[in-house]
Amino acid sequence: DSGVTQTPKHLITATGQRVTLRCSPRSGDLSVYWYQQSLDQGLQFLIQYYNGEERAKGNILERFSAQQFPDLHSELNLSSLELGDSALYFCASNRGGGSYGYTFGSGTRLTVV
Amino acid sequence: AQTVTQSQPEMSVQEAETVTLSCTYDTSESDYYLFWYKQPPSRQMILVIRQEAYKQQNATENRFSVNFQKAAKSFSLKISDSQLGDAAMYFCAYGGTNAGKSTFGDGTTLTVKP
Repeated sequence: DSGVTQTPKHLITATGQRVTLRCSPRSGDLSVYWYQQSLDQGLQFLIQYYNGEERAKGNILERFSAQQFPDLHSELNLSSLELGDSALYFCASNRGGGSYGYTFGSGTRLTVV
Repeated sequence: AQTVTQSQPEMSVQEAETVTLSCTYDTSESDYYLFWYKQPPSRQMILVIRQEAYKQQNATENRFSVNFQKAAKSFSLKISDSQLGDAAMYFCAYGGTNAGKSTFGDGTTLTVKP
């Protein structure tokens, strides 16, 4: 157990639907990062939150949104889902700076059918 | 923007042998951090080793060590005495001092042959 909790582990949904992925960071970590990993691909940065505020944004689609709550857990919302959104979505956390490596959650496998 | 390049999509090594995975990066920053992550078939991402750019000494974690060449912007990972459990995809990553996010390479899939 890495200390970063992601739920659900697997999600199967239809095109056009909306889903919410949840992440609880490791205790003491203030920053949460969301990454997308398509099949056998690298990790694409989506968005970062630090202590409730958006800190950096990557190539995140307008159909996707995220937030970090006062208790520091984060949610990634994916709407109007398309087949190409099928991927492994990772949440990672750290204390907030680039000098720290990430602690990753186990990921949410999203399948859009 | 920083970029990270892993030029070897796949590598293989015989059990108990040594293998080196390559990584190059591009940055205009003088102070930064570099990482190697391991992603086994379980898909769980695990931090393997971390290098601080201002330190000349190469980082080492048990059988894992790096060869950090700052001027050449090269950061290779050496795995000694390879074990079957080392089979995984390995990602090189760059972390700046200001930005919290890391930039990842595309990964190298390592196969360990018994």
